[in-house]
Amino acid sequence: AQKVTQAQTEISVVEKEDVTLDCVYETRDTTYYLFWYKQPPSGELVFLIRRNSFDEQNEISGRYSWNFQKSTSSFNFTITASQVVDSAVYFCALLNSGYSTLTFGKGTMLLVSP
Amino acid sequence: DGGITQSPKYLFRKEGQNVTLSCEQNLNHDAMYWYRQDPGQGLRLIYYSQIVNDFQKGDIAEGYSVSREKKESFPLTVTSAQKNPTAFYLCASSMLLGAINEQYFGPGTRLTVT
Repeated sequence: AQKVTQAQTEISVVEKEDVTLDCVYETRDTTYYLFWYKQPPSGELVFLIRRNSFDEQNEISGRYSWNFQKSTSSFNFTITASQVVDSAVYFCALLNSGYSTLTFGKGTMLLVSP
Repeated sequence: DGGITQSPKYLFRKEGQNVTLSCEQNLNHDAMYWYRQDPGQGLRLIYYSQIVNDFQKGDIAEGYSVSREKKESFPLTVTSAQKNPTAFYLCASSMLLGAINEQYFGPGTRLTVT
């Protein structure tokens, strides 16, 4: 069975702080894909990144970076120098065996205060 | 602009009534999905469709029905059999079913049943 765990329900930081959102996944497959989505207060999910199981290279995009470690089944997301506009719910998701549907974690709500 | 349209944004119904949520996409995507989001629960898959006139049950299909008569449209009916219909409903689409392509999401419909 596929499972995604985001243990942090809510995180509060002050602007300019760095913050890391944790994601731990479970799968029996050797080939799989992991995703991060952002859900701002407007409600629409926005795609952030996709990572396949064969590529453990960390990725950086501006203030965002992702650390993928197969040894610990984790795909953590770090925001550097957080801003108020980063306030949102962030979801980690796993593309399941057969590549048919996504399994989502329960999400982490990030609150960035000025 | 290409995207996914869900209407209305807010919907109110009396208990015992069926209600249909609209989802239209002009991205020329083959696959479409319906998710339900409850506070603290993440996204749960209701139904998905990989092609016109074909659809599959997701994890929580009981009390819901769908149709896929056109490629661009995937309406969801919340029937009176759904015990807890009040929730935020999100529609999504992707180029192909699952695949490695990310899913694009609509703005959602918040349904309240009293």
